[in-house]
Amino acid sequence: EAGVTQSPTHLIKTRGQQATLRCSPISGHTSVYWYQQALGLGLQFLLWYDEGEERNRGNFPPRFSGRQFPNYSSELNVNALELEDSALYLCASSSLGQSAYNSPLHFGNGTRLTVT
Amino acid sequence: GNSVTQMEGPVTLSEEAFLTINCTYTATGYPSLFWYVQYPGEGLQLLLKATKADDKGSNKGFEATYRKETTSFHLEKGSVQVSDSAVYFCALLLSGTYKYIFGTGTRLKVLA
Repeated sequence: EAGVTQSPTHLIKTRGQQATLRCSPISGHTSVYWYQQALGLGLQFLLWYDEGEERNRGNFPPRFSGRQFPNYSSELNVNALELEDSALYLCASSSLGQSAYNSPLHFGNGTRLTVT
Repeated sequence: GNSVTQMEGPVTLSEEAFLTINCTYTATGYPSLFWYVQYPGEGLQLLLKATKADDKGSNKGFEATYRKETTSFHLEKGSVQVSDSAVYFCALLLSGTYKYIFGTGTRLKVLA
């Protein structure tokens, strides 16, 4: 099966601009999670979407937003970029309705966002 | 609150050495526990998992046992290879929810 795909692989923006990151989950997965992995830090939970709805949100400012489309793909938008937004943004998908044992998170390779 | 604590890295070992990466957790209820591995330039991959006390997850020579009495899920491998060099994340899934909590990751470097 095709894995979770993210685009673009790399993204370079200047401070104050907007960035849009995209994620396609594994076929059949309805749930998409976004994480930020800054250098030297672990994974910080950003957003969780399921069935087109935002289900949970991490401790990030409102300029981090996103959406999930009817085909379950997802978009993460970061407005008014700041230097500290430079990080690897990881998307993961899972299939709710199954036990976690059968459906853990499946991650994409991430988008490396650099803000200059 | 709910949390996952991993040992600080980096961990540097010689090839064929024994590996232990400690992971302890704090969580309400009965969480499921996972180890993920992140190779350079890639996302996280599930390495192994366990869903109840005394379960042992295993994969690619790695093992971890769900110890409820010590709230631990330590990762072990008997003989590491250079190709095992990566960052390892311990994680839990809170029972009755779809909320995952990750540790900060432990970088492993294996020298030939």
